[in-house]
Amino acid sequence: QVQLQESGPGLVKPSETLSLTCAISGTSISTYFWTWIRQPPGKGLEWIGHIDYSGRTNYNPSLKSRVTISVDTSKIQFSLKLNSVTAADTAAYYCARVISGSYFIASWGQGTLVTVSS
Amino acid sequence: SYELTQPPSVSVSPGQTASITCSGERLREKYISWHQKKPGQSPVMVIYEDRERPSGIPERFSGSNSGNTATLTIRGTQAMDEADYYCQAWDSSAVVFGGGTKLTVL
Repeated sequence: QVQLQESGPGLVKPSETLSLTCAISGTSISTYFWTWIRQPPGKGLEWIGHIDYSGRTNYNPSLKSRVTISVDTSKIQFSLKLNSVTAADTAAYYCARVISGSYFIASWGQGTLVTVSS
Repeated sequence: SYELTQPPSVSVSPGQTASITCSGERLREKYISWHQKKPGQSPVMVIYEDRERPSGIPERFSGSNSGNTATLTIRGTQAMDEADYYCQAWDSSAVVFGGGTKLTVL
C-alpha cells in the first residue's frame, strides 16, 4: 500500500521560505508524477506543481516564480520550497501521487497545516 | 488555462440519489477522477478514469463522462457521504481541479 507522509514546520514567518518534505513508502519513485497541492482555509484545492522521477517539473503559473520542487531518489522522497511567503500561503499542504497515462491522483498524504504569521 | 466547473452545493435526502456535475470544454477527451474531502481529513479518491471505483469505495459511488460533462452519482446516499467533492483532470501537463461541490445530506 502506497503511503505518503508530509513533514515540515507548521509555522513560517512572512517573507521567509516554506519547506516541506514528502516521504514515499510502498512503491518505487519511478513512473509517477509526484505532486504538491494545497487548500487554504475555506477554499478549494489548488495544484502547486509536480516532478517526475527524472526531475522534470511543472508548476502552477500563479506560483511559478516562488516554487521549487525537487526529488531525492536515494531517500525516496520529494520536497517543496515556496519562498517569500505571505498570509495568503496559509493552507493545508498535501503531497500526492499522480498515475502516468490516466493522470489521476491515486494517493494523498495526510496533509500538514502551514500557517504564515509573525 | 483549462477550467472545470462544478455547482457550489448539492442537497440530497438520505437514501436518495445525489448527482454532482463537472463541466469543461471537450471533457469527454479527458479522464476525470473524483475526490471526497471531509473537514480535517485528507482527500480520498472515489472514482478514477471516469467510472472506475477503487477497492474499498462503496458500490453506491459511480461516475460517467459524456460530451462536456462528467457526473458523480451516489445512490442510496448516506449521512457519511456528506463532504466536499472535487473533480480532477489533466491538461497541458498540469493537474486541474473543479471548484468543489458541497454535498449536504438532510
